[in-house]
Amino acid sequence: KQEVTQIPAALSVPEGENLVLNCSFTDSAIYNLQWFRQDPGKGLTSLLLIQSSQREQTSGRLNASLDKSSGRSTLYIAASQPGDSATYLCAVRDNYGQNFVFGPGTRLSVLP
Amino acid sequence: KAGVTQTPRYLIKTRGQQVTLSCSPISGHRSVSWYQQTPGQGLQFLFEYFSETQRNKGNFPGRFSGRQFSNSRSEMNVSTLELGDSALYLCASSLFGGASDTQYFGPGTRLTVL
Repeated sequence: KQEVTQIPAALSVPEGENLVLNCSFTDSAIYNLQWFRQDPGKGLTSLLLIQSSQREQTSGRLNASLDKSSGRSTLYIAASQPGDSATYLCAVRDNYGQNFVFGPGTRLSVLP
Repeated sequence: KAGVTQTPRYLIKTRGQQVTLSCSPISGHRSVSWYQQTPGQGLQFLFEYFSETQRNKGNFPGRFSGRQFSNSRSEMNVSTLELGDSALYLCASSLFGGASDTQYFGPGTRLTVL
């Protein structure tokens, strides 16, 4: 059974810092991995999707990497801004039932 | 292009009742997935529909069911509501649900069971 964990659970940084969020999964047979952000009381906004054959994806100040063999993905946020404050979730879709499994999220606060 | 819409946004029900939630995907999207989000369990996958057929199913009891119509709109039904069903229910749509397809989420329906 696929399990997804995220470290740290919460993170508080001053504006302008570069930061890394971590996501680990137990079964490397994944279809894809997707990073989302969720603002309080809201739905999820997709940030980046990495297919199982890819190593990384970039969008603006965000870069996500995928290492299937070690069961890890990282989300790198450059030059953080207060508007980046949100909960960041990673989700994997497995190869078997193609079910989606989400991590518990990392709650990020960027202080002005 | 309009995003994913969900109705109603808020709902209050009592134990034992049933409820139907609706999701309209982004135009052209044929895959719709449903999720339950609670503080204790986080986001959990309920089921995915594609072309009016349930393609994948999570580990939820049979009280949770869904369907998809020919226009790709989807409904989710929960029968015999329990207190533990109180949650934010999210739906997401994608083009085909393929490996390169991004999921786009709606704002969710917050269900409170009293």
